[in-house]
Amino acid sequence: SAVISQKPSRDICQRGTSLTIQCQVDSQVTMMFWYRQQPGQSLTLIATANQGSEATYESGFVIDKFPISRPNLTFSTLTVSNMSPEDSSIYLCSVARQGYYTGELFFGEGSRLTVL
Amino acid sequence: AQTVTQSQPEMSVQEAETVTLSCTYDTSESDYYLFWYKQPPSRQMILVIRQEAYKQQNATENRFSVNFQKAAKSFSLKISDSQLGDAAMYFCAYLEGYYGGSQGNLIFGKGTKLSVKP
Repeated sequence: SAVISQKPSRDICQRGTSLTIQCQVDSQVTMMFWYRQQPGQSLTLIATANQGSEATYESGFVIDKFPISRPNLTFSTLTVSNMSPEDSSIYLCSVARQGYYTGELFFGEGSRLTVL
Repeated sequence: AQTVTQSQPEMSVQEAETVTLSCTYDTSESDYYLFWYKQPPSRQMILVIRQEAYKQQNATENRFSVNFQKAAKSFSLKISDSQLGDAAMYFCAYLEGYYGGSQGNLIFGKGTKLSVKP
């Protein structure tokens, strides 16, 4: 298993500002994912961030709005840029078990953002 | 596009009783993986159980078991001897795959909130 720490755990932000969420993993992992969980909704994949390559964004998410860094095998950041109230969500970092990927993910506790 | 539907937004069960959470999915693929993930309040989401579509035998993990009906595209989760710690949001998820792994996206249902009454 992997232990994932996310910071901040929650924050209240003003419209138009940007916030960077950090994800630290206690072991080296190749595949890392960023999800958004809007209030009362399911999880939606924002992007896949594999170390050594550019992040791959899902339909509806763009790099200018959600820039991601993945400098090494244990760390990643997601920035939510120019925030609006619609960005109020829980943002989850997750990693895949090393070895071949079968959909088993380990999740952080999430970062709950409220945008006023 | 693949979709995952959980038709029960909320369920309730008495402690020590059995409860079944429903999930249906839509896909044209023949090989894939299905999952149930649990998200306790203010805690990390964890994997409960996984089923490979090519396996006819239903997966079991201690008190958790699934009823996988491939033709009906149904994948329900049965929790036996429910405990207070089972109270959580449960998400059904689908991963398009092939034998040997997948790079595909996990598609989640909207979740079922399970309450356990003492």
